[in-house]
Amino acid sequence: EAGVAQSPRYKIIEKRQSVAFWCNPISGHATLYWYQQILGQGPKLLIQFQNNGVVDDSQLPKDRFSAERLKGVDSTLKIQPAKLEDSAVYLCASSAQGALGEQYFGPGTRLTVT
Amino acid sequence: GEDVEQSLFLSVREGDSSVINCTYTDSSSTYLYWYKQEPGAGLQLLTYIFSNMDMKQDQRLTVLLNKKDKHLSLRIADTQTGDSAIYFCAESIATDKLIFGTGTRLQVFP
Repeated sequence: EAGVAQSPRYKIIEKRQSVAFWCNPISGHATLYWYQQILGQGPKLLIQFQNNGVVDDSQLPKDRFSAERLKGVDSTLKIQPAKLEDSAVYLCASSAQGALGEQYFGPGTRLTVT
Repeated sequence: GEDVEQSLFLSVREGDSSVINCTYTDSSSTYLYWYKQEPGAGLQLLTYIFSNMDMKQDQRLTVLLNKKDKHLSLRIADTQTGDSAIYFCAESIATDKLIFGTGTRLQVFP
């Protein structure tokens, strides 16, 4: 079974630029999550999708962050414009419906904003 | 409120047991989890325990839950160098949303 795929693995941008991350979840997983993991901290949920609908985006800074999951499969997370404090690892995870906390994580995208 | 705390660092000798501790504040947690993160990789679910259980054992892993003190621990028996990683505890409250702790870096030396 293929795992959660993410790209790119690394990205360096200047502040005020925009960036996009891509995630392909495990086939058949209805729920998709984007997390932000700042160095030295645990992952923090940004947004959760159930199929192509948003379940929870209460922690997403909507003035600069956006996410979509068209057709209920792949997802993209965008930051525009980026700030220095956005430097972090962005993790995508997916889970089967009803699996509660059993989430499968991708390797993450390490973003550095200079 | 939601808050999960862990000690930052643990160092053990190969072959010894490791005990990683976690405290949480929300008494309505339904499940509690332990995830492992190796360098450059995403998180991997190790084990979980339902809130009405006191203990769960899975091969070298033993999870103990003290609901009264809101304390969760993960014991790794016969710790190996391959166990070196960051360990996160997490709680969920009646949904599939996870609240992660700050992580404990386990270093195993020969």
